[in-house]
Amino acid sequence: AQSVTQLGSHVSVSEGALVLLRCNYSSSVPPYLFWYVQYPNQGLQLLLKYTSAATLVKGINGFEAEFKKSETSFHLTKPSAHMSDAAEYFCAVTPYNTDKLIFGTGTRLQVFP
Amino acid sequence: DADVTQTPRNRITKTGKRIMLECSQTKGHDRMYWYRQDPGLGLRLIYYSFDVKDINKGEISDGYSVSRQAQAKFSLSLESAIPNQTALYFCATSDEADPAANTGELFFGEGSRLTVL
Repeated sequence: AQSVTQLGSHVSVSEGALVLLRCNYSSSVPPYLFWYVQYPNQGLQLLLKYTSAATLVKGINGFEAEFKKSETSFHLTKPSAHMSDAAEYFCAVTPYNTDKLIFGTGTRLQVFP
Repeated sequence: DADVTQTPRNRITKTGKRIMLECSQTKGHDRMYWYRQDPGLGLRLIYYSFDVKDINKGEISDGYSVSRQAQAKFSLSLESAIPNQTALYFCATSDEADPAANTGELFFGEGSRLTVL
């Protein structure tokens, strides 16, 4: 079955440091890929999505992700972390020719001053 | 006001009780979903509905039922709650006219935290 794997349930960075959150998908056909963010006590909101156009996708709040078919990866990055980036981040996939969104297990990002 | 509203936001109940979680949306979307979130497990799909006459089971539908009362309303019921249904429940909506080209963004409510004692 199609799935996504997020490596690292917790990531801690210092303010101003690079943020890298990892996501790998399992699929022989490139799916649609998404990153969602969940701030404390809130629902999820879309950060960015890949839908087979440009492989480098820019999202809100300075985040971006690069689709790499050879590595079946869709890692999320931000050059300089801000305290307000502290949240839980979910990678998700819609397998080709299906309607359902499958979520990864999430990565909690902590940002230290 | 939120576009996707869930009630109640918090509920504590006892084993065996019937519980209903309600969701209403003002986005005009046809598609609605119920997910549950558990620590370390991410979000798992319980049920989804692509229009008022369409109800589909997700990956963890056992012990749950749903009702799509109108385009804007989708409720989740636990007929006889058990402790392992303690979780954070999310309703979500999406608007995709072409199911074969799902580039869908889901719009989430703020969640309903359910505790079953």
